[in-house]
Amino acid sequence: GESVGLHLPTLSVQEGDNSIINCAYSNSASDYFIWYKQESGKGPQFIIDIRSNMDKRQGQRVTVLLNKTVKHLSLQIAATQPGDSAVYFCAENGAGANNLFFGTGTRLTVIP
Amino acid sequence: EAGVAQSPRYKIIEKRQSVAFWCNPISGHATLYWYQQILGQGPKLLIQFQNNGVVDDSQLPKDRFSAERLKGVDSTLKIQPAKLEDSAVYLCASSEQGGGNTIYFGEGSWLTVV
Repeated sequence: GESVGLHLPTLSVQEGDNSIINCAYSNSASDYFIWYKQESGKGPQFIIDIRSNMDKRQGQRVTVLLNKTVKHLSLQIAATQPGDSAVYFCAENGAGANNLFFGTGTRLTVIP
Repeated sequence: EAGVAQSPRYKIIEKRQSVAFWCNPISGHATLYWYQQILGQGPKLLIQFQNNGVVDDSQLPKDRFSAERLKGVDSTLKIQPAKLEDSAVYLCASSEQGGGNTIYFGEGSWLTVV
């Protein structure tokens, strides 16, 4: 029979490889962006953020890249580990807005 | 530092019944949010408080959903009467203030309406 419901974009990577998760945002006036990680049965967990006056920001094993020209955001995870398996959401805070608008999410599966 | 606390974690109710969820934000955070997350989707804002005042409730189905933050600290979200489509995770979040500050989420309250 036909399945019902949304199917998240998925990304499968081998343990130890680098992962790149992409996100297209909608509001050209957005000035703040966050990546969240959500494991099964848990709330979204803050990973890294970036403001619109930057195009790159690095954290521990993670890098966020912002391309305002094409309204594109990416999250790079170095040396991906099984514990990185989760759904990753990008969120934007439009200029003047006080809350976050979330994308659909990408499910990352790390293959041991 | 304690995170955002929510209760109950899980609730199963029949349609047309009522349910209430409680949230205690991170200490000192003036802004509190309630989000609804349907399976397979990203969270969607229901209501945002700044201290004890409502900043944005434009997406709250006010015929059945209500929320309050009377003393500007903890908050309650109520659904009455519940519908099948209300089955979702209700996420509470907080930030130091709105507008470009990091928003931290609780673990969520999982509601199933049967």
